[in-house]
Amino acid sequence: TQLLEQSPQFLSIQEGENLTVYCNSSSVFSSLQWYRQEPGEGPVLLVTVVTGGEVKKLKRLTFQFGDARKDSSLHITAAQPGDTGLYLCAGSGNQFYFGTGTSLTVIP
Amino acid sequence: DVKVTQSSRYLVKRTGEKVFLECVQDMDHENMFWYRQDPGLGLRLIYFSYDVKMKEKGDIPEGYSVSREKKERFSLILESASTNQTSMYLCASSLSGSNQPQHFGDGTRLSIL
Repeated sequence: TQLLEQSPQFLSIQEGENLTVYCNSSSVFSSLQWYRQEPGEGPVLLVTVVTGGEVKKLKRLTFQFGDARKDSSLHITAAQPGDTGLYLCAGSGNQFYFGTGTSLTVIP
Repeated sequence: DVKVTQSSRYLVKRTGEKVFLECVQDMDHENMFWYRQDPGLGLRLIYFSYDVKMKEKGDIPEGYSVSREKKERFSLILESASTNQTSMYLCASSLSGSNQPQHFGDGTRLSIL
């Protein structure tokens, strides 16, 4: 059973386009984190959101935590080839749970 | 910077062998984790440890065991390797506390023939 479902699973877009990745659960989490993983490397933390409704911006990336702390989204504006990678959400409860992942390819 | 080092990037073993995967972190983190990563399934937690000699089962502990004799080192053991354990294995560490970020090694791609 996967607690955190991400959509879409795969995404291929042209440079300059915008995109949104979703992370959904029926469980409530005390916090939610987003990681990016590049080929041959381990995931690297991008952001942690803690408060329901919280919005955090990291340059062209905007992260939002749902009001009920069950879901989150990641929006990328004007995607660049360097954004290519696997994006993982992770929820913290009594344990850490990772999402299924979204593989993003940005074509130059 | 936190450094999590996994002993091997690639490993090929045979069915039935006992396999050891080693992980070392240099930031005095209390928590350490072992995950396996398979396409479409994300990261699944095998075991974690919040202190020396302490261990807790994750979501998929069957066929695995762990050892944490020193704070900086967390070992994953496949008692009798099987082909369905072919996967990418990731080690991570973090400070204590549920909201702390996890710091990952670069992974070990294990193939069981």
